Amino acid sequence: DAGVIQSPRHEVTEMGQEVTLRCKPISGHDYLFWYRQTMMRGLELLIYFNNNVPIDDSGMPEDRFSAKMPNASFSTLKIQPSEPRDSAVYFCASILMGMGYSGYTFGSGTRLTVV
Amino acid sequence: TQLLEQSPQFLSIQEGENLTVYCNSSSVFSSLQWYRQEPGEGPVLLVTVVTGGEVKKLKRLTFQFGDARKDSSLHITAAQPGDTGLYLCAGAPGNQFYFGTGTSLTVIP
Repeated sequence: DAGVIQSPRHEVTEMGQEVTLRCKPISGHDYLFWYRQTMMRGLELLIYFNNNVPIDDSGMPEDRFSAKMPNASFSTLKIQPSEPRDSAVYFCASILMGMGYSGYTFGSGTRLTVV
Repeated sequence: TQLLEQSPQFLSIQEGENLTVYCNSSSVFSSLQWYRQEPGEGPVLLVTVVTGGEVKKLKRLTFQFGDARKDSSLHITAAQPGDTGLYLCAGAPGNQFYFGTGTSLTVIP
């Protein structure tokens, strides 16, 4: 398996623009998580899905953020409109929870810079 | 408020030295994991501990889960430059893992 695949790796956009981050989880994994990482706040959980259904989106900072998982192999995180304070590295991770303690598999992240 | 506090936040040591990183919480966890993250990459799982008092060894790395399952430590013996990275603990009180604040380790050759 190629692991969790995120795209793009880097995104630079202007304030007010829409940004869409993409994630392909590991085939067969039943949970998908979106995290945001900054120096100040560390890794923050934004939202997670179980079998494509959003379970907890309490970490989504504002209505400007939305996430979808239309099928088991694809998820998106959208920011509209983007703001400079959204600049961070966004990670997607997946896990097969029934495997107990196999741990999350993270993607390589998308480094977002909003100018 | 962070569920998991790690200390120290930053650590810079010479190659060959030993070090210990701590992960503490007031909550009880059913399991706890340690990850290492290298620049430009996502965290990678090192180990999972599930039993209070459990000790696991991974080559030069020794992981311990506290008896009360509220804390954990990571000890590295004879650190090498390849150990450089961000070390994260993650605890699961339920169905999802909460990540600690992280310890950034630099091993100087």
